[in-house]
Amino acid sequence: AQRVTQPEKLLSVFKGAPVELKCNYSYSGSPELFWYVQYSRQRLQLLLRHISRESIKGFTADLNKGETSFHLKKPFAQEEDSAMYYCALRNNNDMRFGAGTRLTVKP
Amino acid sequence: GAVVSQHPSRVICKSGTSVKIECRSLDFQATTMFWYRQFPKQSLMLMATSNEGSKATYEQGVEKDKFLINHASLTLSTLTVTSAHPEDSSFYICSATGGVSNQPQHFGDGTRLSIL
Repeated sequence: AQRVTQPEKLLSVFKGAPVELKCNYSYSGSPELFWYVQYSRQRLQLLLRHISRESIKGFTADLNKGETSFHLKKPFAQEEDSAMYYCALRNNNDMRFGAGTRLTVKP
Repeated sequence: GAVVSQHPSRVICKSGTSVKIECRSLDFQATTMFWYRQFPKQSLMLMATSNEGSKATYEQGVEKDKFLINHASLTLSTLTVTSAHPEDSSFYICSATGGVSNQPQHFGDGTRLSIL
């Protein structure tokens, strides 16, 4: 069975500091991984996906199959990055979400 | 970008009432729609997956007679919470994806259901 683990429920950093939101997964096949973000009072929206290998809003995430991880990183956090972040794994049409990490970027 | 509209955004009703929530894809054909439930400060829990024109696939522990899902067209799916009780109070979120391979899911704004 596929499973997504986000070990940190809360993460707080100062503006300008690097930030890393951890995500580990367990899945026997080739995973398709995503990061979704939910800003205050807004809908869940796609931030990035591993197959795109792109940087969105300064965030990047690399799939590490050896460590079964897909950590989300940003070198310099901004206050507007404060939000709830969910890591998700998709197998065909079956999408499973991690518990989420609430990121707070302090001024 | 792809837009998913969910209606209503908030429902407050008495125990025993049945409540219908609509999920529409506005600018794409949603071959598959998903219904999630989110408890306060918790993650999204998949309730069911529905493909247009066929019966929904429910996750373990989700009562299909309690949560009726209809996906009669490529742009509309409905979730009906039948004879709702206070324990059904939650945040319900739908998402949709089109027929193109590897297309991501697009989420609605969610519906906050409060049963008195």
